[in-house]
Amino acid sequence: DIQMTQSPPSLSASVGDRVTITCRASQSISFYLNWYHQRLGQAPKLLIYGASSLQSGVPSRFSGSGSGTDFTLTISSLQPEDFATYYCQQSYSTPYTFGQGTKLEIK
Amino acid sequence: QVQLVESGGGVVQPGGSLRLSCAASAFTFNSYDMHWVRQAPGKGLEWVTFIRYDGSDKHYADSVKGRFTISRDNSENTLYLQMNSLSAEDTAIYYCAKGDYGGDSGIVMFDYWGQGTLVTVSS
Repeated sequence: DIQMTQSPPSLSASVGDRVTITCRASQSISFYLNWYHQRLGQAPKLLIYGASSLQSGVPSRFSGSGSGTDFTLTISSLQPEDFATYYCQQSYSTPYTFGQGTKLEIK
Repeated sequence: QVQLVESGGGVVQPGGSLRLSCAASAFTFNSYDMHWVRQAPGKGLEWVTFIRYDGSDKHYADSVKGRFTISRDNSENTLYLQMNSLSAEDTAIYYCAKGDYGGDSGIVMFDYWGQGTLVTVSS
């Protein structure tokens, strides 16, 4: 199975900050990498697919990059609704494993 | 808009069985692969299983293989998850998710999720 490792596990930031979350795969997954976020008590929501493609309806302050084993999610200017837990997921092969999550909290 | 509504969760004793359902609407259900993803209390997301749009292919996580069975009824726009031999480690919120393929290379992605149904395995 492909293991996904996110860092940091948690992050404190302020509204308006630029933040970056990283995700590393245990083997090359090309660009088969998705990002989701999950607000407290809600279902996950797709933000980015294919490492860098913005899902329809997602604000342009979200961006993704990377290929192979190393990926990043960047939020250019944090908004109050962005405080949530962020997960990466590989869709290169089953099982479609997720990272352990990065909890983004208000400073 | 796309809607996925899970049901069938509840409290079950260790070794027991439960069948979850996911009612889909506002999209052509029989054209899309479907997935189940679970989340133990306070933990991260774990992909559980998927079924091809026509039911022709199914994959399972090792943690549920041989105990869980995914199925679908395309005439009823409903996805199912039959769970047998349940243990405390299966306690989680179970989400159904619609699969889709993005970009030129057909990246598998989960573009819509239900609100989940809670399964608690306890004596």
